Amino acid sequence: GQQLNQSPQSMFIQEGEDVSMNCTSSSIFNTWLWYKQDPGEGPVLLIALYKAGELTSNGRLTAQFGITRKDSFLNISASIPSDVGIYFCAGIAGGTSYGKLTFGQGTILTVHP
Amino acid sequence: SAVISQKPSRDICQRGTSLTIQCQVDSQVTMMFWYRQQPGQSLTLIATANQGSEATYESGFVIDKFPISRPNLTFSTLTVSNMSPEDSSIYLCSLARSYNEQFFGPGTRLTVL
Repeated sequence: GQQLNQSPQSMFIQEGEDVSMNCTSSSIFNTWLWYKQDPGEGPVLLIALYKAGELTSNGRLTAQFGITRKDSFLNISASIPSDVGIYFCAGIAGGTSYGKLTFGQGTILTVHP
Repeated sequence: SAVISQKPSRDICQRGTSLTIQCQVDSQVTMMFWYRQQPGQSLTLIATANQGSEATYESGFVIDKFPISRPNLTFSTLTVSNMSPEDSSIYLCSLARSYNEQFFGPGTRLTVL
């Protein structure tokens, strides 16, 4: 089945630093989504990407849909302590996969004040 | 976004018993989904639950173990049947709005002893 490879697995950074994480796949996805999950909560949608090459921002977050449709990255600028959590990429393939999310393994982000 | 609630938020159950998890959303949606998140892992789709039709299960998940109901456009249930410790996970429901955006409930944390 489809798999998403997300890296890095974890990051330990200082407050104020920028963060970058990415997901790659061997197959094409029509939609890329980025989520953040806090402890004890469900994932919260951060950014949705629908077109190859699309670059979208949400505050300090920027994400891009790779032109090959097989990858995406998420950048967080000027990190703050509340950015701590697990970040997941997720993709939706086309056709009969409508609505079905395939998740990456997650990136655990720790921000030191 | 969407308002999604799940009941119970957590439970501790004995092996061999069954637990039914409820998911209520604040507006009518066609597509709802159930995911499992095993400890320290990413999310895996269990099944798609569309109102008026049988749930569609992903590979590795069967109706006898995870029966799903979808009686109307704002409600769904997932039952974890004949539980074993390996079923200890977070179970999350989600809904899909336009453009493939998917929103998650807070999850039900299940521990099976």
